[in-house]
Amino acid sequence: AQKVTQAQTEISVVEKEDVTLDCVYETRDTTYYLFWYKQPPSGELVFLIRRNSFDEQNEISGRYSWNFQKSTSSFNFTITASQVVDSAVYFCALTYFNYGQNFVFGPGTRLSVLP
Amino acid sequence: DGGITQSPKYLFRKEGQNVTLSCEQNLNHDAMYWYRQDPGQGLRLIYYSQIVNDFQKGDIAEGYSVSREKKESFPLTVTSAQKNPTAFYLCASSEQGSYNEQFFGPGTRLTVL
Repeated sequence: AQKVTQAQTEISVVEKEDVTLDCVYETRDTTYYLFWYKQPPSGELVFLIRRNSFDEQNEISGRYSWNFQKSTSSFNFTITASQVVDSAVYFCALTYFNYGQNFVFGPGTRLSVLP
Repeated sequence: DGGITQSPKYLFRKEGQNVTLSCEQNLNHDAMYWYRQDPGQGLRLIYYSQIVNDFQKGDIAEGYSVSREKKESFPLTVTSAQKNPTAFYLCASSEQGSYNEQFFGPGTRLTVL
């Protein structure tokens, strides 16, 4: 069975602090994909990144970075020098290569960045 | 601009009434999805469609129905059989293949009075 755990329900930081959002996944498949989405207060989910199971390279995009470690089944997301606009709910998701719908979302982590 | 539109943004319904939520996309995506989100919770899949005139139940399909007569449209009907319909409903689309990222609409907040 596929499962995504985001143990941090809510996190509060002060602006300019770095913050890491944890994501731990479970899957028996050798080919799978991991995603991060951002849900700002407006409600619409915004796609941030997709990573396949064969690519363990870390990725950096501006203030965002992702650390994928198959050994610990984790795909953590770090925001450097956080800003108030980063306040949102962040979802980690997992899917595997198959016909059909296999997206599994984690419960989300609510990040509040205080000025 | 390519994207997904959902209407209305807010919807109020009396108990016992059916209501239809609209979802339209101009991204030329084959696959479309409906999710339900309750406060403080993640997304749960209601229905999905990989191709026109075909759709599959998700994890919580009871009390809901859908149709997919056109590629760009995937309306969701919340029937009176849905016991607790008050929630935030999100529509998404993607290229065919479960490994593709999904793109989401702005959502419809349904409240049953």
